[in-house]
Amino acid sequence: AQKITQTQPGMFVQEKEAVTLDCTYDTSDPSYGLFWYKQPSSGEMIFLIYQGSYDQQNATEGRYSLNFQKARKSANLVISASQLGDSAMYFCAIGAGGTSYGKLTFGQGTILTVHP
Amino acid sequence: GAVVSQHPSWVICKSGTSVKIECRSLDFQATTMFWYRQFPKQSLMLMATSNEGSKATYEQGVEKDKFLINHASLTLSTLTVTSAHPEDSSFYICSASGDSYNEQFFGPGTRLTVL
Repeated sequence: AQKITQTQPGMFVQEKEAVTLDCTYDTSDPSYGLFWYKQPSSGEMIFLIYQGSYDQQNATEGRYSLNFQKARKSANLVISASQLGDSAMYFCAIGAGGTSYGKLTFGQGTILTVHP
Repeated sequence: GAVVSQHPSWVICKSGTSVKIECRSLDFQATTMFWYRQFPKQSLMLMATSNEGSKATYEQGVEKDKFLINHASLTLSTLTVTSAHPEDSSFYICSASGDSYNEQFFGPGTRLTVL
């Protein structure tokens, strides 16, 4: 079984500053993927970034980067140059390999509020 | 990214009725589709995994006779909430996956309110 822990129920950041959202995970599967999704108030799940367990480099997608520390089982999301539109709920998720490709386990989420 | 649609986007029904929610992958063939449920201010909980042409696999604690899932084609999966009750009121989200497990695309969700 997989588990994701997000310990920050809410985070506040000033516009244009960087913010780190924490995520730790637990799995016994040697092959897995880590995902971050953004969920605005409309409810849609917006894919942000993916990191594979065997990827040597940290994933980056525009203003989003994933700080992957495998030994510590952490996969923190870093958002650089925050924008007002970044205010939303953010979920970290893990998907294990094998026959259940794509089956995701989500953390409890972090509500990010960006102040002007 | 690929597009997944859900219909309806919201539905209000009376207790005891059944509600069908459709999930469609519009521009790719979805080998697998997933159904999640999300209560207000909570996380997404996986309900079931469906593969085209086979029976769905339900997560522990999910009643398969209450939440009927049909994955009739590579682009369509349906979730039917049978004999809905107020406690079934929730946000239901589907996702679709292609051949690579790092690709999973979510639908916009369906908000179900049972009176």
